[in-house]
Amino acid sequence: ETGVTQSPTHLIKTRGQQVTLRCSSQSGHNTVSWYQQALGQGPQFIFQYYREEENGRGNFPPRFSGLQFPNYSSELNVNALELDDSALYLCASSPQVRQGGDTQYFGPGTRLTVL
Amino acid sequence: DAKTTQPPSMDCAEGRAANLPCNHSTISGNEYVYWYRQIHSQGPQYIIHGLKNNETNEMASLIITEDRKSSTLILPHATLRDTAVYYCIVRVVLGSGNTGKLIFGQGTTLQVKP
Repeated sequence: ETGVTQSPTHLIKTRGQQVTLRCSSQSGHNTVSWYQQALGQGPQFIFQYYREEENGRGNFPPRFSGLQFPNYSSELNVNALELDDSALYLCASSPQVRQGGDTQYFGPGTRLTVL
Repeated sequence: DAKTTQPPSMDCAEGRAANLPCNHSTISGNEYVYWYRQIHSQGPQYIIHGLKNNETNEMASLIITEDRKSSTLILPHATLRDTAVYYCIVRVVLGSGNTGKLIFGQGTTLQVKP
């Protein structure tokens, strides 16, 4: 069973550009969540996709958007990049709904630097 | 806003038990407590979770007080590789499914010393 993978590992963009980050879920997982982690801070929830629909959103502007595909992989898109968007972007997948709560398993993250 | 409070840092001697406290006084009845750890800038690693009963797995034990307002993560025999930032998290319910969202705080930096 493969874990959560993310691409690319590192990325450098300039202010105003657009970026797409990708996440492949762990096998059998149908829910993907995205988090932003600024340097020295804990991760902050961006949004979650469940069965290809957005299932909840954190306090992030609309220029942060996402997609989930039929194979449950996911994309995070950020338009009009700002310097404060520089962060580690984490993807987490979780398995089928079951009693007792579903644990989120994180990928290694994508380090985005905006210049 | 984070729903948990943790000490910013702790030290532990190698081979001894590490006891990491967490306060979550505003937790709701259906919200789980999760613990993750993060080494350097890797993705957070799941450790353990619970609702109201004490839990144990191969990595750690989780002790939750009867009123659910606080908990303690116990690493029974800490090693140097356990040096990391440990996050105590309340999982908040979202619309559909059973995954919820994780509300991270600042975490506790645990330094295991030889």
